[in-house]
This record gives sequence, C-alpha cells and structure tokens, in this order.
Amino acid sequence: GENVEQHPSTLSVQEGDSAVIKCTYSDSASNYFPWYKQELGKGPQLIIDIRSNVGEKKDQRIAVTLNKTAKHFSLHITETQPEDSAVYFCAASAASGGSYIPTFGRGTSLIVHP
Amino acid sequence: GAVVSQHPSRVICKSGTSVKIECRSLDFQATTMFWYRQFPKQSLMLMATSNEGSKATYEQGVEKDKFLINHASLTLSTLTVTSAHPEDSSFYICSARDTATNEKLFFGSGTQLSVL
Repeated sequence: GENVEQHPSTLSVQEGDSAVIKCTYSDSASNYFPWYKQELGKGPQLIIDIRSNVGEKKDQRIAVTLNKTAKHFSLHITETQPEDSAVYFCAASAASGGSYIPTFGRGTSLIVHP
Repeated sequence: GAVVSQHPSRVICKSGTSVKIECRSLDFQATTMFWYRQFPKQSLMLMATSNEGSKATYEQGVEKDKFLINHASLTLSTLTVTSAHPEDSSFYICSARDTATNEKLFFGSGTQLSVL
C-alpha cells in the first residue's frame, strides 16, 4: 500500500518568513495530492491540492510543487502570519476500484512567532 | 466551499452507554464517507469507509460491532460507539468525498468523546 512520509514534524518560523513542508510517497499510481490545515480542536481543512499532471499550483500565499519522478511534493507558505500556526497534513491518493482513498502523512506543527 | 457538519462537537458519557455521532454533507452529495480517530498530536487513523446503501468497510483492528456505521443517504453517515469505555475516549472525525469529483475530501469539525 501507499506510504507517505512528512517532514519536519515541527517547524518554527518568524512572522513574514517562508515555511516549507515536504512529503514523499511510495506508490507511483498516486495521482492526487491534497494538503490540509488543522487547528486545535477542529477538523482538517482542505487548503490546496494538486493532481499528477501538474507540477505546481499556487493560491495567494500558498503553493504546492510536485515531482513525480522523485515522488515528492511540497507545501510552500510565504509571508507567514500567526494565524498560519496549525498542524498541516499532506496526503496521497490513488484510484482504487474507481475511488480515491487518501493516505496521510504524520503532520507538521507549524508555529509562526509574531 | 463544501461544508461537512458533524455533531456533537463534544460529548461526555458514562462507561457502558452508547454515543451516536452524525456527519452530514450540506451542499454536496457524498456516496462515500470516512471515519477517523485521532489521538493527541498524531495523524488521522482511518477506522472505516462508509458507502451509501451498503455495509461499511472496516480497517484492520477496528471492531465493527463496537463502532456501528450507518450511511442511509447521500448526505448522512452516523457512527455509534456502543458500550463505550474510557479507552474509547478520543477525537473522532468524519470526512465526505464529493461524488462529483470523486477525489476531494472534506472534513467535519470533529467530536471529542470523553468516557468516564
């Protein structure tokens, strides 16, 4: 089955700095890669996603890059703000019997210091 | 954006009682919903996959008779923790897959269960 590794487990940055979270996956059949932000006591919120036919996608201060050959994808947050502090999860999905079952990384706790 | 409503957000119950958690997709249809359990500072642990109109598929190690799942409509799935014990205390989260795209997954706000 799919295995997703996520690093770092904790990331501490100063407000205004950039933050990068990296994930690797093992199943070459995976073709959908979402990123989720989870605030304390809440459910994960989909913030950005990318499909395998695209190398990069950007949405305001958030961008995701995908390297299919190396089987890794990354989340980039620029001009970080204290409200970006949360746990971020990456996931990889491969169509299985016509549906997508995501495998999640272990999460990265991002702390943005004002 | 797509909204998944999960209730209750927090429940405290006595050992031996049953607790039902509801998960509703408010503005989209969800043929498939997932139930997760999350321990503090850990990732999401998939418990079961719920398909509308059919039996749920449970992950290895998850007791199907203890965690009853019903997915009677395209917008509602329920998880019932039967005869709850303190070790069942956890954060339970549902997610619903948008049938239209078959890949985007949206999560509920979670239910913190505390069994005394």
